[in-house]
Amino acid sequence: AQKVTQAQTEISVVEKEDVTLDCVYETRDTTYYLFWYKQPPSGELVFLIRRNSFDEQNEISGRYSWNFQKSTSSFNFTITASQVVDSAVYFCALSGSGGFKTIFGAGTRLFVKA
Amino acid sequence: DTEVTQTPKHLVMGMTNKKSLKCEQHMGHRAMYWYKQKAKKPPELMFVYSYEKLSINESVPSRFSPECPNSSLLNLHLHALQPEDSALYLCASSTGLAGYNEQFFGPGTRLTVL
Repeated sequence: AQKVTQAQTEISVVEKEDVTLDCVYETRDTTYYLFWYKQPPSGELVFLIRRNSFDEQNEISGRYSWNFQKSTSSFNFTITASQVVDSAVYFCALSGSGGFKTIFGAGTRLFVKA
Repeated sequence: DTEVTQTPKHLVMGMTNKKSLKCEQHMGHRAMYWYKQKAKKPPELMFVYSYEKLSINESVPSRFSPECPNSSLLNLHLHALQPEDSALYLCASSTGLAGYNEQFFGPGTRLTVL
């Protein structure tokens, strides 16, 4: 069975602090895909990044960076120099090569205070 | 056009009412999804359409009836709902059903059942 665990329910930081959101996954598939989505208060989930199981290269996009480690089944997300606009719920998600269903983690609510 | 639109934004209905939620995308995506999201929970998959045919029904009660009239439109017909059906209903689309496809979400319809 596939599972995604986001152990941090809520995180509160002060603006300009760095913050890391943890994601641990379980799957028996050899080919799978990991995602991060952001859900601001407006409601719609916004796609941030996709990683496939064969690509462990870390990625940086502006203030965002992702660390994928198959050895620990983790796909962590770091926001550097956080801003108030980063306040949202962040979901880590997993899908297999067969697609059809994306498994979402419970989400981490991030509060960034000015 | 890279957005998914949903109408209405808010809906209040009684348990005997019949109403419909509408979702539209013009990105040429061939997979469309309905999710239900309760407060402080991740999105929960309800239905998946691929090439206008129902691919997945996640054991959703028959008081929810999906319809995909064409490749751009997805409806969710509601009848005899219960108060526990109150939630944010999210529509999403993707290029196809393959697991590597990210999903594009609409802003959702916030439904209240009285």
